[in-house]
Amino acid sequence: DARVTQTPRDKVTEMGQEVTMRCQPILGHNTVFWYRQTMMQGLELLAYFRNRAPLDDSGMPKDRFSAEMPDATLATLKIQPSEPRDSAVYFCASGLGGSETQYFGPGTRLLVL
Amino acid sequence: DQQVKQNSPSLSVQEGRISILNCDYTNSMFDYFLWYKKYPAEGPTFLISISSIKDKNEDGRFTVFLNKSAKHLSLHIVPSQPGDSAVYFCAASVWTNAGKSTFGDGTTLTVKP
Repeated sequence: DARVTQTPRDKVTEMGQEVTMRCQPILGHNTVFWYRQTMMQGLELLAYFRNRAPLDDSGMPKDRFSAEMPDATLATLKIQPSEPRDSAVYFCASGLGGSETQYFGPGTRLLVL
Repeated sequence: DQQVKQNSPSLSVQEGRISILNCDYTNSMFDYFLWYKKYPAEGPTFLISISSIKDKNEDGRFTVFLNKSAKHLSLHIVPSQPGDSAVYFCAASVWTNAGKSTFGDGTTLTVKP
């Protein structure tokens, strides 16, 4: 049963600390998306990659967020320094080129105190 | 400028009746539309989709209707079941845009037994 995995599932940290979230896309998928969902908003696209190359990261606050794909099996989203307004659920999703369907991970629930 | 809008934050229906969830979009370049369902503490999962060359797509109890002239789509669930209670996201994409979708804010459906 192929699925997207995300770690950690929950993260509580203090303002100013670095946060790293990890995602393992479904094997063979070549597109990876990072989303953020807050209480008041829907799914906000932060960044996405195709074949490990970043296609669009215009949704990310550039000064503190960074997203990378060190290899085809790992995507990372880092926040440094973290702020209370970053508290949200962060979802990773993967897809296969030529298909519009995205497969989501369970999310990382981040709380910045 | 929100390109995909779900104007009803919540909907409550009786078990066995029809649920109708609505979605409007503003970008005429969108040519593929998807619905995702999300349970608490899980990531969204793909439910059903429709291409702009069609005006209806059916899958079991779920039917999506597309009205391109009105830039409106709807998801019908017949008959509704308590297990359908979830948040439903409408998403729209441009087929050639590497699988990137724009999501609405979601509608919370509650099906009462």
